[in-house]
This record gives sequence, structure tokens and C-alpha cells, in this order.
Amino acid sequence: TQLLEQSPQFLSIQEGENLTVYCNSSSVFSSLQWYRQEPGEGPVLLVTVVTGGEVKKLKRLTFQFGDARKDSSLHITAAQPGDTGLYLCAGDGGGTSYGKLTFGQGTILTVHP
Amino acid sequence: DAGVIQSPRHEVTEMGQEVTLRCKPISGHDYLFWYRQTMMRGLELLIYFNNNVPIDDSGMPEDRFSAKMPNASFSTLKIQPSEPRDSAVYFCASSLMAERGYTFGSGTRLTVV
Repeated sequence: TQLLEQSPQFLSIQEGENLTVYCNSSSVFSSLQWYRQEPGEGPVLLVTVVTGGEVKKLKRLTFQFGDARKDSSLHITAAQPGDTGLYLCAGDGGGTSYGKLTFGQGTILTVHP
Repeated sequence: DAGVIQSPRHEVTEMGQEVTLRCKPISGHDYLFWYRQTMMRGLELLIYFNNNVPIDDSGMPEDRFSAKMPNASFSTLKIQPSEPRDSAVYFCASSLMAERGYTFGSGTRLTVV
């Protein structure tokens, strides 16, 4: 069973601060995705990373896939209250498990004005 | 594109009753997934289909749960009989390819009393 561990579980910061969320596993993933979920809604895809060492930027969000494709990080610069939500990483094991995503437990981010 | 459509949004039922959750995936997506989300266990994959065929149902808790996908535009998740521990938010998601990420519906919040 492939497991993804996210840290921290909770993050409460002030507007303007920077933060990093980590997603770690002992397993190799063919791709890894980050989602953001708001209360009462389903998760929404932010980014997919496929290549080891890959870095993708989405405005103030920077996503990195580890060289060994076992870990990833999400860095937010100058956080805003609109960034508040549940952030989830999810990995695709590939092979016979292609298409089947394993989700981390999530990081609840609260950005205070 | 209306996205993934789930119904109902909320369901309150008594223990022992049959519950049917419905999902219409995005047209053209050939993967469909049913997930369950709780505070304690996060997002758990219950079952997924590829081209209407069930591929992996190892996450289905027990025989009380069943899922069908009679055609490319419709799927159901049935719980019979329902129990209080089934209370959760159930999400349906569809995908064209794993690397392109999932599109989730808004979920069905199930409460079994």
C-alpha cells in the first residue's frame, strides 16, 4: 500500500507570510498532484508534476517534485486570506495502479488578515 | 462543461435504509472514481472504473456497498443497509488521464441516524 504523509497537518499564519507544505512517501510515484479543497466542495486540481526534480509555478504557489519522485512540496509566497483551505497531495503509482490516486491526509491552512 | 454532477447534495436516512448516490462524469472522461471523505480517515478510494468496467473495488468497505456504471455518463453507489458509521461525504471524480488530474463533483453529504 502506497502512503503519502503530509506535514504539517494544520498551519495558521498571518497574511503576507510564506509557508511550505510537505508530502512524503517511501514509494515512487509516476506523477503527483496537488489539490485545494474549500468547505462544502470537492478538491480542485492545482498542478500535476511528472518528472523528478520538476518545479512548477502558479502565481504565488511553487510546486516541486523530488528527484526520486517520492516527495513533493508546495510553497506559498506572501499568503493571502483567499489561500485558506485544505491542501491535498495525491500520487499515482503507475503500472497496474495507473489512474488510481492515493491522497495524503491534507494540510488545513488558515491565513488571517 | 457542467463538470461532474452528483446528486443528491445532502442525504439523511435512518439506519437500515437503502441509499443510492448518483454521479454524471464529464463527457469523454474514461475514468470514474468514488471516494469517501471523513475527518478521521481523509479521502479514501472506494472503487474506480475505466471505460465503464470496474478496475479496483478493494476499497469498498464491505458487501453492503455496491457500485455500477451502466454507461459512460452515469454511475451509482449504493449502500444497503446503511449504518451510522457510513456517515461521510462521498465524492465522485472523473478523469481523462491520470496525469491530467481528477475533476471532482461537489459531493454528497450522507448522514445515517
